[in-house]
Amino acid sequence: EAQVTQNPRYLITVTGKKLTVTCSQNMNHEYMSWYRQDPGLGLRQIYYSMNVEVTDKGDVPEGYKVSRKEKRNFPLILESPSPNQTSLYFCASSGSGTSGGRTDTQYFGPGTRLTVL
Amino acid sequence: QKEVEQNSGPLSVPEGAIASLNCTYSDRGSQSFFWYRQYSGKSPELIMFIYSNGDKEDGRFTAQLNKASQYVSLLIRDSQPSDSATYLCAVNPASGYALNFGKGTSLLVTP
Repeated sequence: EAQVTQNPRYLITVTGKKLTVTCSQNMNHEYMSWYRQDPGLGLRQIYYSMNVEVTDKGDVPEGYKVSRKEKRNFPLILESPSPNQTSLYFCASSGSGTSGGRTDTQYFGPGTRLTVL
Repeated sequence: QKEVEQNSGPLSVPEGAIASLNCTYSDRGSQSFFWYRQYSGKSPELIMFIYSNGDKEDGRFTAQLNKASQYVSLLIRDSQPSDSATYLCAVNPASGYALNFGKGTSLLVTP
């Protein structure tokens, strides 16, 4: 089954404790992206990656890091989380993939609800 | 800033009625347009996409695109309570990967 997976799905942590949220897709997509979603603010892009070893900042990159060492994985790293990073996080991917699909159709993971105390 | 605007709602319609959701975008060069449905606490789910001016129908859903007026709409016929969700409009500003999302319109279908 074609899918984007994220782990963990729920996480409660404390200020300053480094954490990583994993994202993996099995569709051989070139493009992967991280969003955060907050009430009234909609989806805001944090970072995106056009392919392996190619990453760039989105609209709200402060306090986050990413890496893309393998095509299927795109982890989101919070090195020193703060309460204002409490949010619902989504990973998404798109690309021509193995079936030659459209590159602009994004598929979302199930989300990670993060609470930073 | 390439903006995608949606009325936040909530839009309330009775069961069986037609729900009409609208979206405007600022980038006249936008190429493709998407509607996602998002239930509370869940991830966005693609329900429709449209690339050409006019209407595109898929079951109870119809997407309408007017590039001259820079708006795209989603009609839901025979609305059901299970259609109650937030609907996100997304626009691809160029032939690439990125999407610009609106903040979504909340739809409530009342029995």
